[in-house]
Amino acid sequence: DTAVSQTPKYLVTQMGNDKSIKCEQNLGHDTMYWYKQDSKKFLKIMFSYNNKELIINETVPNRFSPKSPDKAHLNLHINSLELGDSAVYFCASSPHRGTYEQYFGPGTRLTVT
Amino acid sequence: DQQVKQNSPSLSVQEGRISILNCDYTNSMFDYFLWYKKYPAEGPTFLISISSIKDKNEDGRFTVFLNKSAKHLSLHIVPSQPGDSAVYFCAASAFKTSYDKVIFGPGTSLSVIP
Repeated sequence: DTAVSQTPKYLVTQMGNDKSIKCEQNLGHDTMYWYKQDSKKFLKIMFSYNNKELIINETVPNRFSPKSPDKAHLNLHINSLELGDSAVYFCASSPHRGTYEQYFGPGTRLTVT
Repeated sequence: DQQVKQNSPSLSVQEGRISILNCDYTNSMFDYFLWYKKYPAEGPTFLISISSIKDKNEDGRFTVFLNKSAKHLSLHIVPSQPGDSAVYFCAASAFKTSYDKVIFGPGTSLSVIP
């Protein structure tokens, strides 16, 4: 009965490949987020969607493209993976915009070799 | 450009004693602050928050203090328990200027020794 789930949990791939990470929340929340936790452990916002509409798009390379088919799902597709993309990616959700208490998924550890 | 700083990467405390985790911020527009707790291989979990109109918020063993003039907040855990061992992230948001965005600090790893 996981509130925010992500698949896969681990992803090991080679440079140049394209990969996707999926996120689903069953909390009925309107707003979803993608964060990247880099090697220095900072959690940095990448994207946010509210009811399928993009509301935050940080300075992230164009190789990263989020897609929200419905408000319960927010997927992250990464093209032409680079070594620097290796990180833990967290999906999160909140009831609506301006609600800062967020519910996080377990994270996806991406390793690019 | 770190807007939220947690200058102590780690902290060790004896069980039963007080744990004090500190956080400093640089952006004077921040008006809402949060603490999250993270266990290994799990996502962060919301712990407690405080609005800038308050200087203290308490929830059970957890109390957050805010000193706006010093741009400093702290999380007090009393008494500390072994299950409190985790990474604690301080986070902040600015309702007026960055309505949807939460900025996280780098975290402090707390170890509570039995």
